[in-house]
Amino acid sequence: DVKVTQSSRYLVKRTGEKVFLECVQDMDHENMFWYRQDPGLGLRLIYFSYDVKMKEKGDIPEGYSVSREKKERFSLILESASTNQTSMYLCASSPGGGLGEKLFFGSGTQLSVL
Amino acid sequence: SQQGEEDPQALSIQEGENATMNCSYKTSINNLQWYRQNSGRGLVHLILIRSNEREKHSGRLRVTLDTSKKSSSLLITASRAADTASYFCATGPSGGYNKLIFGAGTRLAVHP
Repeated sequence: DVKVTQSSRYLVKRTGEKVFLECVQDMDHENMFWYRQDPGLGLRLIYFSYDVKMKEKGDIPEGYSVSREKKERFSLILESASTNQTSMYLCASSPGGGLGEKLFFGSGTQLSVL
Repeated sequence: SQQGEEDPQALSIQEGENATMNCSYKTSINNLQWYRQNSGRGLVHLILIRSNEREKHSGRLRVTLDTSKKSSSLLITASRAADTASYFCATGPSGGYNKLIFGAGTRLAVHP
């Protein structure tokens, strides 16, 4: 079975802290994505990566950075966490064969910034 | 930017009834997908329909796509309490990367 694993289910951090959210997939997928989900807004794309060491900005990249040093791992970094970054963060991956692929999601990390 | 917009925002029905959810979008697409999310967990892919298709079935699910109206509908027939979840449509662009844009979702409650 395909699997996307996010390192933490719940996370509580303080304003100004540097936060790392980790995501690992075991499917040898090329593409990986970070979304955040807020009530009434659906999922919004933060960053995505189509290859190791490659990254592209999504719709809301401000305040975030990403790292993809290995194919299976995609990290989301909040350089200096703020209260408006309190949200559910969802990682996803797709094979990378082209358009029209489905995404495989992790279970999500609910981040609270106090 | 939010591409897909689901309608209604919330739907409450009895077991055995059919549930219909609609999705509208704004720009040209390569495909449209529907996902399901149980109570704050990750999303699970349900069905994908390509821009040159008009209708697709998968078990109790039926999806239609009208590219002239830029809209899609998801029909769940003979609903069960276990279908209670949020349902999201996501549109795939007609060019560039496989970068899906999601709507805000429809919350479906199926009562026994």
